[in-house]
Amino acid sequence: GEDVEQSLFLSVREGDSSVINCTYTDSSSTYLYWYKQEPGAGLQLLTYIFSNMDMKQDQRLTVLLNKKDKHLSLRIADTQTGDSAIYFCAESIGGGSYIPTFGRGTSLIVHP
Amino acid sequence: DAGVIQSPRHEVTEMGQEVTLRCKPISGHDYLFWYRQTMMRGLELLIYFNNNVPIDDSGMPEDRFSAKMPNASFSTLKIQPSEPRDSAVYFCASSPSRYQGFAFFGQGTRLTVV
Repeated sequence: GEDVEQSLFLSVREGDSSVINCTYTDSSSTYLYWYKQEPGAGLQLLTYIFSNMDMKQDQRLTVLLNKKDKHLSLRIADTQTGDSAIYFCAESIGGGSYIPTFGRGTSLIVHP
Repeated sequence: DAGVIQSPRHEVTEMGQEVTLRCKPISGHDYLFWYRQTMMRGLELLIYFNNNVPIDDSGMPEDRFSAKMPNASFSTLKIQPSEPRDSAVYFCASSPSRYQGFAFFGQGTRLTVV
């Protein structure tokens, strides 16, 4: 199976909260990331969390990490139409190389 | 800095032709990555360089693909001969030393092989 798994689609109404989930397999992950890809553009690093943290908040974004279950989530509060994009979860292991492994991406669709 | 710059943005070519994709990384970044994105396989790492030296090319699909980095400010990904199944969006990314997960991506080259 894949190292990083995400559901492919999420549809929410404008103003609601969005929660995008991700599971990973390597318990020695050092960093976990969320990237955003808008239509026709490259990936952009949105936020990240160290593996020794449980939560990180940055304005409308909240990242939760459950190391026991190897589960990472991204919550977007007050979702706007401009948040419509593909969101990629990624992990890197460390030990000299921090090359990230990406999930397949979750397409977030925000409708009025 | 203008970010990672890729050219061309779009490329349409006929099967069997040679295709060259170009990338200018962010100045001062030691790592450069080439990724391929398709609906079927998602985002795949093809090859990466550290200080202009190829480190891991295990993701390169076959010998038709080659990548070079002659200096710190330029890299190419070449496909010769191209095939329809090579149609994809190819991304170049760069990152500062060691923290390769903090990568900056270019806007990509959409390649269509007919």
